[in-house]
Amino acid sequence: DTAVSQTPKYLVTQMGNDKSIKCEQNLGHDTMYWYKQDSKKFLKIMFSYNNKELIINETVPNRFSPKSPDKAHLNLHINSLELGDSAVYFCASSQGSGTNQPQHFGDGTRLSIL
Amino acid sequence: DAKTTQPPSMDCAEGRAANLPCNHSTISGNEYVYWYRQIHSQGPQYIIHGLKNNETNEMASLIITEDRKSSTLILPHATLRDTAVYYCIVRVASNAGNMLTFGGGTRLMVKP
Repeated sequence: DTAVSQTPKYLVTQMGNDKSIKCEQNLGHDTMYWYKQDSKKFLKIMFSYNNKELIINETVPNRFSPKSPDKAHLNLHINSLELGDSAVYFCASSQGSGTNQPQHFGDGTRLSIL
Repeated sequence: DAKTTQPPSMDCAEGRAANLPCNHSTISGNEYVYWYRQIHSQGPQYIIHGLKNNETNEMASLIITEDRKSSTLILPHATLRDTAVYYCIVRVASNAGNMLTFGGGTRLMVKP
């Protein structure tokens, strides 16, 4: 019974294409996140949404656009993919946006740009 | 948020306790200490967190020094499945979001 699920698990595509990654959580949480893990394995926050409202937007190119149709879903759409976008993207969720709330992560989407 | 320093790697024998240290000498009074781990090809997994007092749950124990400048995560009986990268993170309480900043972590290798 997966708590935070991401699809697809693997995504291989050409430079310049547009692609989306979907994330769903069944934990009843109201805050969701997107992180990027690059080839050096450092995890960095990209976005945070609380009750479908954006609350964190780190320095991310505007080619990346998160969309939250409801508080159980936070999808990531990427336009005009570039080679540097190759990474593993993790979705996470927590109950509330306060610090004292642990985050639950999905297993990641491995994006490879050819 | 306070910076953390962890050893890049550690080994532990299966069945023994694994003690993972973390230095956070610039920690502020309202910053929590969090531990997550990442097993190969999986997402990070929350382990435990604390503010001042030592904490214990079904996964691990967290020992925070009295001056709060360092902490130790203890896995009491390490198994092969505990092989992972362990991240120590300090984070201030804020309503502006719950952004986690991951450093390099400690790669724990549990050996038979």
